Amino acid sequence: EIVMTQSPATLSVSPGERATLSCRASQSVPINLAWYQQKPGQAPRLLIYGASTRAAGVPARFSGSGSGTEFTLTIDSLQSEDFAVYYCQHYNNWPPYTFGQGTKLDI
Amino acid sequence: EVQLVESGGGLVQPGGSLRLSCAASGLIFSDHAMSWVRQAPGKGLEWVSTITGSGGNTYFADSVKGRLTISRDNSMNTVYLQMNSLRAEDTALYYCARGGYYAALDVWGQGTTVTVS
Repeated sequence: EIVMTQSPATLSVSPGERATLSCRASQSVPINLAWYQQKPGQAPRLLIYGASTRAAGVPARFSGSGSGTEFTLTIDSLQSEDFAVYYCQHYNNWPPYTFGQGTKLDI
Repeated sequence: EVQLVESGGGLVQPGGSLRLSCAASGLIFSDHAMSWVRQAPGKGLEWVSTITGSGGNTYFADSVKGRLTISRDNSMNTVYLQMNSLRAEDTALYYCARGGYYAALDVWGQGTTVTVS
């Protein structure tokens, strides 16, 4: 099973700043990596797939990078609506398609 | 617009059974793998199961293997999760999502709550 490890667990930033979230896979998943955003009381929302491709309707301030085992989600110029929990997930090859434990983006 | 609507959750005693349903609209259903993801209260996301578009292949997390079964009816645009031998640790909000077989989960339902107590 591929273990996905996200860091930090909580990231405190201010509106207008940049946030950088990390995700590490215990073995290579090439670019088969997605990022999701979840706000309280809501279902998760796909932000990034293929490690760096924004999903439909996702603002350009969200960007993903990385390949293999190290991945980053960057959010430029944070808006109030960006404060949420972010999860990475691999969908490489064979299940289980594990999620990271999440990073809470806090004001 | 693609929509997924889950139903079938509820309160069940340990050892009991439930069948969750997820009705899809706005897509060519048989073209897409479908998955179930759960979230225990106050916890993160846990992938549970995926079924391919044809229904020919199914996959399960180790934590549910042998107790949960996933199936689909492509004529009804519906995917099911049959849950047997339920345990307290199965208590969670269960989400249905499109994708999961070599693909990200790009559309999610609002979830249905299962409580085992």
